[in-house]
Amino acid sequence: AQTVTQSQPEMSVQEAETVTLSCTYDTSESNYYLFWYKQPPSRQMILVIRQEAYKQQNATENRFSVNFQKAAKSFSLKISDSQLGDTAMYFCAFTSHGSGNTGKLIFGQGTTLQVKP
Amino acid sequence: DAEITQSPRHKITETGRQVTLACHQTWNHNNMFWYRQDLGHGLRLIHYSYGVQDTNKGEVSDGYSVSRSNTEDLPLTLESAASSQTSVYFCASSEWANYGYTFGSGTRLTVV
Repeated sequence: AQTVTQSQPEMSVQEAETVTLSCTYDTSESNYYLFWYKQPPSRQMILVIRQEAYKQQNATENRFSVNFQKAAKSFSLKISDSQLGDTAMYFCAFTSHGSGNTGKLIFGQGTTLQVKP
Repeated sequence: DAEITQSPRHKITETGRQVTLACHQTWNHNNMFWYRQDLGHGLRLIHYSYGVQDTNKGEVSDGYSVSRSNTEDLPLTLESAASSQTSVYFCASSEWANYGYTFGSGTRLTVV
């Protein structure tokens, strides 16, 4: 069974600094997709960034970038120049089209990030 | 603009009552999903549907049911609410999971 693990329940960072959130996953599939979602206090789930496993290049979206290590099954999120609006819970998620998944998103436990002024 | 809406946003109900949470999407997505969010567990899949008349159980389906009579709606029913079902419930839809889901704003359900 595929699993996603976020080992950091809570993190904090000073405004304007850089922070990295960790995520590991377990799968026997070779082709899959990984995501980071942001959930601010409003409760809305917002897609931050997406990575296709067959692409070597790490995805980047403005201040958000990932470090995708396929062999290590690691998918960390780096937030540069942290802003107060980045305060949220962040979820790592996985999907594939292999047997037993068929397009369902599997989520990690979440990491609560607090950006301090 | 297309959207996915959940109602109600908050609900308090009593143990043993039947409760239905609504989910309506105008994206014309075939795939719809219900998750519950609990601290320390992330989001866990309750039920999902890949199209009209199709429903499937997720990892935490006991005590819940869904039906899909049209593309737009996937209501979630708690047959007999229990305190363990106090949670935040999210509905989501997608055409291709490869691109992630579009989520509703969630329903906070409290069972007393």
